[in-house]
Amino acid sequence: DTAVSQTPKYLVTQMGNDKSIKCEQNLGHDTMYWYKQDSKKFLKIMFSYNNKELIINETVPNRFSPKSPDKAHLNLHINSLELGDSAVYFCASSQAYQNNEQFFGPGTRLTVL
Amino acid sequence: DAKTTQPNSMESNEEEPVHLPCNHSTISGTDYIHWYRQLPSQGPEYVIHGLTSNVNNRMASLAIAEDRKSSTLILHRATLRDAAVYYCILRRGNEKLTFGTGTRLTIIP
Repeated sequence: DTAVSQTPKYLVTQMGNDKSIKCEQNLGHDTMYWYKQDSKKFLKIMFSYNNKELIINETVPNRFSPKSPDKAHLNLHINSLELGDSAVYFCASSQAYQNNEQFFGPGTRLTVL
Repeated sequence: DAKTTQPNSMESNEEEPVHLPCNHSTISGTDYIHWYRQLPSQGPEYVIHGLTSNVNNRMASLAIAEDRKSSTLILHRATLRDAAVYYCILRRGNEKLTFGTGTRLTIIP
C-alpha cells in the first residue's frame, strides 16, 4: 500500500556517469515534485509537475532532466554526475498544486565518487 | 518569502506534552502555517496546517497567536516515535514549500 515509492533506495556511481531515479505514486495525485536534501540537511525543491506539465524549475543545472510519462510517474535523469550531486533525493506528490499536504517518498541516497 | 524562526533543538520526556514554538513576525494575511516533520532516514511527513484558528488532527494541535506572529505545534503525549526534525513553514497561495533548518526534537525515555 505504498503511497509514493522511489527506486533505487541507494545509488553509488562514478563522476561523469548518467543515472536515473524513478518515482511512482498510487494516490491519484495530479502534482509531483523532486526535492534535494544535501549533506547539511537543507531540503530544497528542484522541480514540480502538474498533470505532466512542468510548473517549477528551481535554477537546477540542465544536467538534471525530469520526465513525466504519466501523472503517476516523475523520473529524474541526471547527466554527467558531479561530486556535488551527492545528496538524498525525495519525490513527493499532492492532490493538486494548490493543495496543502504533500506526501513524500522514502528518498534515494545518491553517492557520486 | 516570509521567514520562520525555530529553536535548533528541544528535548522532552516520553508520554509528556511537547510544545514546539515557531516565530513568523513578517507573516502576511494570506500565509498559511504548515508543519512537517522528518523522522530519521525518512522523507518529510505532513503534520498539520492552519491560517488563523487553532487546528487539531490525530497527530497534533496547532495553536496560532492572535496576531499570527507566532504559532506552537503541540504533541499531546510524546512517544519515542515522535523524535524527528519539525519544520514550520509559511506558504502563500500556490508558492512552493520552503524548508528551513527546523527543530530537532529528542524524546527521553
